[in-house]
Amino acid sequence: GQNIDQPTEMTATEGAIVQINCTYQTSGFNGLFWYQQHAGEAPTFLSYNVLDGLEEKGRFSSFLSRSKGYSYLLLKELQMKDSASYLCAVRDAGNTPLVFGKGTRLSVIA
Amino acid sequence: DGGITQSPKYLFRKEGQNVTLSCEQNLNHDAMYWYRQDPGQGLRLIYYSQIVNDFQKGDIAEGYSVSREKKESFPLTVTSAQKNPTAFYLCASSPWDSKNEQFFGPGTRLTVL
Repeated sequence: GQNIDQPTEMTATEGAIVQINCTYQTSGFNGLFWYQQHAGEAPTFLSYNVLDGLEEKGRFSSFLSRSKGYSYLLLKELQMKDSASYLCAVRDAGNTPLVFGKGTRLSVIA
Repeated sequence: DGGITQSPKYLFRKEGQNVTLSCEQNLNHDAMYWYRQDPGQGLRLIYYSQIVNDFQKGDIAEGYSVSREKKESFPLTVTSAQKNPTAFYLCASSPWDSKNEQFFGPGTRLTVL
């Protein structure tokens, strides 16, 4: 079976750093995606990891360890607009559809 | 402007009626997908299509039907057999490349009264 786990909710302070973890158990692995979704809107792409290591893009970074089935999304210099749900998604093989975790709702407070 | 459109944004239907949700893309993507999102449930796959005139069931296909007669279009019909159809429906598409990033439409919120 396929299982993707991430925390349900997190709260962090404006200007701080927050790390959102994701663990996965899938039959295969062909890439891990992080998406951001504001309430009532479409998910938008944040990052993609297919090899082990850290991918950095501005205030956002994503890390992958394939041997541990683990990824995290790191958000730096938090802003109020970062309050959203963050979705971890895995492709288990080839060109199959992404499998999504339930998402982590992040609240950024002043 | 390239993108994915879904219409309408909000849809209301009476119980027992079939309803069709529209999804169109002009990104020239081969694959298209339908997901359902409920509070606290994440995105669950209903149907997907990797090529015209072919589609596959996802995890929760019961009570839904699709067609893929054109590359650009992948409509979803919510039938009266779907026991709990009220939800947020998201359509996505992806190119056929090594990354296969999925791009999402704005979604349709369906409420069955």
